[in-house]
Amino acid sequence: DAMVIQNPRYQVTQFGKPVTLSCSQTLNHNVMYWYQQKSSQAPKLLFHYYDKDFNNEADTPDNFQSRRPNTSFCFLDIRSPGLGDAAMYLCATSRDQGPQHFGDGTRLSIL
Amino acid sequence: AQSVTQPDIHITVSEGASLELRCNYSYGATPYLFWYVQSPGQGLQLLLKYFSGDTLVQGIKGFEAEFKRSQSSFNLRKPSVHWSDAAEYFCAVGPMEYGNKLVFGAGTILRVKS
Repeated sequence: DAMVIQNPRYQVTQFGKPVTLSCSQTLNHNVMYWYQQKSSQAPKLLFHYYDKDFNNEADTPDNFQSRRPNTSFCFLDIRSPGLGDAAMYLCATSRDQGPQHFGDGTRLSIL
Repeated sequence: AQSVTQPDIHITVSEGASLELRCNYSYGATPYLFWYVQSPGQGLQLLLKYFSGDTLVQGIKGFEAEFKRSQSSFNLRKPSVHWSDAAEYFCAVGPMEYGNKLVFGAGTILRVKS
Protein backbone atom coordinates (compact mmCIF):
# COMPACT_ATOMS: atom_id res chain seq x y z
CA ASP A 1 0.00 0.00 0.00
CA ALA A 2 1.14 3.51 -0.76
CA MET A 3 1.92 5.29 2.43
CA VAL A 4 3.83 7.83 4.50
CA ILE A 5 6.51 6.30 6.70
CA GLN A 6 8.21 8.04 9.58
CA ASN A 7 11.36 6.81 11.26
CA PRO A 8 12.00 6.29 14.01
CA ARG A 9 8.65 6.03 15.84
CA TYR A 10 10.33 7.03 19.09
CA GLN A 11 13.44 9.18 19.41
CA VAL A 12 15.25 10.18 22.57
CA THR A 13 17.93 12.83 22.48
CA GLN A 14 19.85 14.93 24.93
CA PHE A 15 19.25 18.60 25.57
CA GLY A 16 21.15 20.54 22.92
CA LYS A 17 22.16 17.51 20.85
CA PRO A 18 21.11 17.75 17.19
CA VAL A 19 18.52 15.28 16.02
CA THR A 20 17.08 14.37 12.61
CA LEU A 21 13.67 12.87 11.95
CA SER A 22 12.90 11.12 8.69
CA CYS A 23 9.85 10.87 6.46
CA SER A 24 9.43 8.92 3.25
CA GLN A 25 6.45 8.45 0.98
CA THR A 26 5.40 6.12 -1.80
CA LEU A 27 2.42 8.25 -2.87
CA ASN A 28 4.49 10.36 -5.28
CA HIS A 29 2.93 13.48 -3.79
CA ASN A 30 4.58 16.78 -4.60
CA VAL A 31 3.85 18.52 -1.29
CA MET A 32 5.34 17.41 2.04
CA TYR A 33 4.60 18.93 5.44
CA TRP A 34 6.01 18.80 8.95
CA TYR A 35 3.75 19.36 11.93
CA GLN A 36 4.52 19.56 15.63
CA GLN A 37 1.89 18.20 18.00
CA LYS A 38 2.28 18.66 21.73
CA SER A 39 0.30 16.66 24.22
CA SER A 40 -3.45 17.31 24.08
CA GLN A 41 -3.01 19.94 21.37
CA ALA A 42 -3.77 20.20 17.68
CA PRO A 43 -1.00 19.71 15.13
CA LYS A 44 0.83 22.90 14.28
CA LEU A 45 2.40 23.38 10.86
CA LEU A 46 6.15 24.06 11.00
CA PHE A 47 6.90 24.22 7.27
CA HIS A 48 6.19 22.53 3.99
CA TYR A 49 7.80 21.83 0.64
CA TYR A 50 5.74 22.47 -2.46
CA ASP A 51 7.84 20.56 -4.98
CA LYS A 52 11.31 21.94 -4.26
CA ASP A 53 10.09 25.23 -2.83
CA PHE A 54 10.49 25.52 0.94
CA ASN A 55 7.82 27.43 2.86
CA ASN A 56 8.51 28.26 6.48
CA GLU A 57 5.74 29.31 8.86
CA ALA A 58 6.38 32.73 10.38
CA ASP A 59 6.44 31.45 13.94
CA THR A 60 8.62 28.38 13.40
CA PRO A 61 11.78 28.73 15.49
CA ASP A 62 15.11 28.98 13.67
CA ASN A 63 16.14 25.87 15.57
CA PHE A 64 14.01 23.84 13.16
CA GLN A 65 15.26 23.14 9.65
CA SER A 66 14.16 20.84 6.86
CA ARG A 67 15.66 19.14 3.83
CA ARG A 68 14.01 17.45 0.89
CA PRO A 69 16.69 15.72 -1.21
CA ASN A 70 14.14 14.16 -3.57
CA THR A 71 10.40 13.70 -4.04
CA SER A 72 10.18 10.73 -1.70
CA PHE A 73 12.13 11.90 1.33
CA CYS A 74 11.94 14.81 3.72
CA PHE A 75 13.92 15.40 6.92
CA LEU A 76 13.31 17.52 9.98
CA ASP A 77 16.48 18.73 11.71
CA ILE A 78 16.40 20.19 15.19
CA ARG A 79 19.75 21.86 15.73
CA SER A 80 19.72 22.31 19.50
CA PRO A 81 16.68 20.66 21.05
CA GLY A 82 15.25 22.20 24.16
CA LEU A 83 12.87 20.66 26.66
CA GLY A 84 10.02 22.53 25.00
CA ASP A 85 10.62 20.67 21.74
CA ALA A 86 9.45 17.37 23.19
CA ALA A 87 6.43 16.50 21.08
CA MET A 88 5.01 14.25 18.40
CA TYR A 89 6.26 15.24 14.96
CA LEU A 90 3.95 14.40 12.08
CA CYS A 91 4.84 14.25 8.42
CA ALA A 92 2.11 14.61 5.81
CA THR A 93 1.93 14.65 2.03
CA SER A 94 -0.54 15.85 -0.57
CA ARG A 95 -0.94 16.15 -4.29
CA ASP A 96 -1.14 19.90 -4.75
CA GLN A 97 -4.21 21.12 -2.82
CA GLY A 98 -5.62 17.68 -2.26
CA PRO A 99 -6.18 15.98 1.09
CA GLN A 100 -3.15 15.48 3.31
CA HIS A 101 -2.04 11.98 4.21
CA PHE A 102 -0.23 11.58 7.51
CA GLY A 103 2.40 9.21 8.79
CA ASP A 104 2.19 7.69 12.26
CA GLY A 105 4.54 10.28 13.69
CA THR A 106 7.79 10.32 15.65
CA ARG A 107 7.54 10.94 19.36
CA LEU A 108 10.58 12.95 20.46
CA SER A 109 11.75 12.99 24.06
CA ILE A 110 14.45 15.30 25.41
CA LEU A 111 16.61 14.24 28.35
CA ALA B 1 -7.23 34.75 9.58
CA GLN B 2 -8.86 31.38 9.39
CA SER B 3 -9.67 29.51 12.60
CA VAL B 4 -11.50 26.39 13.69
CA THR B 5 -13.45 25.90 16.90
CA GLN B 6 -14.40 22.56 18.35
CA PRO B 7 -16.48 23.48 21.38
CA ASP B 8 -16.42 20.06 23.02
CA ILE B 9 -13.09 18.90 24.48
CA HIS B 10 -14.51 15.55 25.60
CA ILE B 11 -17.64 13.64 24.64
CA THR B 12 -18.82 10.34 26.05
CA VAL B 13 -21.46 8.27 24.29
CA SER B 14 -22.78 4.77 24.79
CA GLU B 15 -21.98 2.12 22.24
CA GLY B 16 -24.76 2.03 19.66
CA ALA B 17 -25.84 5.61 20.33
CA SER B 18 -25.66 8.35 17.74
CA LEU B 19 -22.84 10.87 17.68
CA GLU B 20 -22.43 14.47 16.60
CA LEU B 21 -19.15 16.35 16.93
CA ARG B 22 -19.33 20.07 16.40
CA CYS B 23 -17.02 22.19 14.30
CA ASN B 24 -17.26 25.89 13.48
CA TYR B 25 -14.85 27.69 11.24
CA SER B 26 -13.94 31.24 10.39
CA TYR B 27 -12.75 31.90 6.88
CA GLY B 28 -13.39 34.63 4.38
CA ALA B 29 -14.14 32.46 1.37
CA THR B 30 -15.36 28.95 0.70
CA PRO B 31 -12.97 26.69 2.57
CA TYR B 32 -11.83 23.16 2.14
CA LEU B 33 -13.05 21.29 5.25
CA PHE B 34 -11.77 18.06 6.70
CA TRP B 35 -12.31 15.69 9.58
CA TYR B 36 -9.39 13.59 10.80
CA VAL B 37 -9.27 10.91 13.49
CA GLN B 38 -6.24 10.13 15.64
CA SER B 39 -5.89 7.06 17.82
CA PRO B 40 -3.39 7.26 20.71
CA GLY B 41 0.20 7.25 19.51
CA GLN B 42 -0.83 7.26 15.86
CA GLY B 43 -0.94 9.71 13.01
CA LEU B 44 -4.05 11.34 11.62
CA GLN B 45 -6.40 9.46 9.33
CA LEU B 46 -8.67 11.34 6.95
CA LEU B 47 -12.35 10.54 7.58
CA LEU B 48 -13.91 12.82 4.98
CA LYS B 49 -13.53 16.11 3.16
CA TYR B 50 -15.64 18.84 1.66
CA PHE B 51 -14.41 20.83 -1.31
CA SER B 52 -17.61 21.82 -3.13
CA GLY B 53 -20.93 20.42 -4.35
CA ASP B 54 -23.22 18.32 -2.19
CA THR B 55 -23.11 19.69 1.33
CA LEU B 56 -23.63 16.28 2.91
CA VAL B 57 -20.47 14.24 2.52
CA GLN B 58 -19.93 10.61 3.30
CA GLY B 59 -16.69 9.31 4.72
CA ILE B 60 -15.08 6.14 5.88
CA LYS B 61 -16.15 4.05 8.89
CA GLY B 62 -19.79 5.16 8.55
CA PHE B 63 -19.15 8.85 9.27
CA GLU B 64 -20.80 11.75 7.49
CA ALA B 65 -20.60 15.52 7.82
CA GLU B 66 -22.76 18.39 6.68
CA PHE B 67 -21.45 21.75 5.51
CA LYS B 68 -23.73 24.61 6.53
CA ARG B 69 -22.47 27.87 5.12
CA SER B 70 -25.01 30.01 6.98
CA GLN B 71 -23.80 28.61 10.30
CA SER B 72 -20.12 28.27 9.33
CA SER B 73 -20.33 24.72 10.59
CA PHE B 74 -19.13 21.30 9.48
CA ASN B 75 -20.43 18.86 12.09
CA LEU B 76 -19.46 15.20 12.05
CA ARG B 77 -22.10 12.55 12.63
CA LYS B 78 -22.41 8.81 12.99
CA PRO B 79 -25.74 7.04 13.57
CA SER B 80 -24.38 4.22 15.73
CA VAL B 81 -21.05 4.43 17.53
CA HIS B 82 -18.77 1.42 17.96
CA TRP B 83 -16.25 0.99 20.76
CA SER B 84 -13.46 1.19 18.17
CA ASP B 85 -14.50 4.78 17.38
CA ALA B 86 -12.96 5.96 20.65
CA ALA B 87 -10.22 8.37 19.56
CA GLU B 88 -9.53 12.06 19.13
CA TYR B 89 -11.22 13.87 16.26
CA PHE B 90 -9.88 16.96 14.58
CA CYS B 91 -11.72 19.32 12.29
CA ALA B 92 -9.53 21.30 9.91
CA VAL B 93 -9.92 24.07 7.37
CA GLY B 94 -7.70 24.51 4.34
CA PRO B 95 -7.60 27.67 2.30
CA MET B 96 -7.77 27.41 -1.44
CA GLU B 97 -4.29 28.61 -2.00
CA TYR B 98 -0.72 27.48 -2.40
CA GLY B 99 0.05 24.27 -0.61
CA ASN B 100 -3.31 23.72 1.07
CA LYS B 101 -2.14 24.65 4.55
CA LEU B 102 -4.45 23.23 7.19
CA VAL B 103 -5.56 24.93 10.37
CA PHE B 104 -6.79 22.45 12.95
CA GLY B 105 -9.28 22.76 15.73
CA ALA B 106 -8.20 21.79 19.24
CA GLY B 107 -9.77 18.34 18.90
CA THR B 108 -12.56 16.42 20.59
CA ILE B 109 -11.80 13.27 22.55
CA LEU B 110 -14.51 10.67 22.12
CA ARG B 111 -15.04 8.07 24.80
CA VAL B 112 -17.37 5.15 24.17
CA LYS B 113 -18.93 3.35 27.09
CA SER B 114 -20.28 -0.15 26.79
